[in-house]
Amino acid sequence: SQQGEEDPQALSIQEGENATMNCSYKTSINNLQWYRQNSGRGLVHLILIRSNEREKHSGRLRVTLDTSKKSSSLLITASRAADTASYFCATDGNRGSTLGRLYFGRGTQLTVWP
Amino acid sequence: DTGVSQNPRHKITKRGQNVTFRCDPISEHNRLYWYRQTLGQGPEFLTYFQNEAQLEKSRLLSDRFSAERPKGSFSTLEIQRTEQGDSAMYLCASSFQGRATDTQYFGPGTRLTVL
Repeated sequence: SQQGEEDPQALSIQEGENATMNCSYKTSINNLQWYRQNSGRGLVHLILIRSNEREKHSGRLRVTLDTSKKSSSLLITASRAADTASYFCATDGNRGSTLGRLYFGRGTQLTVWP
Repeated sequence: DTGVSQNPRHKITKRGQNVTFRCDPISEHNRLYWYRQTLGQGPEFLTYFQNEAQLEKSRLLSDRFSAERPKGSFSTLEIQRTEQGDSAMYLCASSFQGRATDTQYFGPGTRLTVL
């Protein structure tokens, strides 16, 4: 399976703290994406990092990618209660027959307490 | 709103009935994807289209499932003879293939409950 796996499965923190979520995957990739999903809603795209990039920032988000370890991390700084959601990493397939589809892990459920 | 839209948002049906969902992608996007998500899991790929051509189907897409994108714009996903195991959130996404980044943008989903 090319499915990514997020760690931890659940994370509970106080507002203002930083939240770090990790993702591991199994095969080579072209890029890795992080998505957020509020309960019962669709997925919101957060950030995409390409296989030749090591770090990327977007606002309070920082994503790193280590292709040698097949892992990525998502850091949310100065968390807010509104950040409470499930966070998924998604990898693409870089082989011809699987181009297009994304492979998702089970997600990390982040709860930020006010 | 120029994002991906899906209808209906919720569908409750009895086992054995047929259901059809619709997805309207972002207008300039040529790729359209269907995913299924069950409780506590991440989305699982079902199928995708480039324009009107269905390019890939997952093994999850049994012969009771059919998807179409007749004019390369909106898409429909039909489930025939629904089973309780079909209860899930069905997500649609679209992207523009050809750009350096093939970001997929998701709709709000259709939640199916099979009684």
